[in-house]
Amino acid sequence: AQSVTQPDIHITVSEGASLELRCNYSYGATPYLFWYVQSPGQGLQLLLKYFSGDTLVQGIKGFEAEFKRSQSSFNLRKPSVHWSDAAEYFCAVGAGSDMRFGAGTRLTVKP
Amino acid sequence: KAGVTQTPRYLIKTRGQQVTLSCSPISGHRSVSWYQQTPGQGLQFLFEYFSETQRNKGNFPGRFSGRQFSNSRSEMNVSTLELGDSALYLCASSPDTEGYGYTFGSGTRLTVV
Repeated sequence: AQSVTQPDIHITVSEGASLELRCNYSYGATPYLFWYVQSPGQGLQLLLKYFSGDTLVQGIKGFEAEFKRSQSSFNLRKPSVHWSDAAEYFCAVGAGSDMRFGAGTRLTVKP
Repeated sequence: KAGVTQTPRYLIKTRGQQVTLSCSPISGHRSVSWYQQTPGQGLQFLFEYFSETQRNKGNFPGRFSGRQFSNSRSEMNVSTLELGDSALYLCASSPDTEGYGYTFGSGTRLTVV
């Protein structure tokens, strides 16, 4: 069965520091992988996605993610965090409309 | 292109009542999925509709139901509301192209008192 694990429930980083959010997945075949961001009281916004090709994927808002098949990971990174990046981040795996979401990682940005 | 529109944004209902939530997907998207989001359970899949047919269903009681119309707009209904139904209900649409991902609406915040 497919599943997604986000090991970090809450991460705090200083503004301007680099960020890495972890995501591990379990899937029977080559997965489609996604990262979404959710601001308080809002829906989820797609940051980036991967399903084939270059394992380093660029997304919106300066985010990138790297697919590592050997580690079953799809970690999200940003070189310099801005205060506006404070939100909850969800990793998801799926094919077609069968999407599974991780529990989310809440990001706090310190001034 | 307009996004996914959910109405209403906020609802307060009394235990035992029923409620209907509405979702208008992005034009051209035929797949509509519904999720319940709570602090304790996170995002839980309710059901997915495609071309007016329920294609997938999550593990929720029969009090939760939905439907999709010929224009792809979808509604979900919760009958006999319980306090535990208080949640953010999110609708997401997709063109049903494999790997496309979802576009989410802003959600309907349901509070049951």
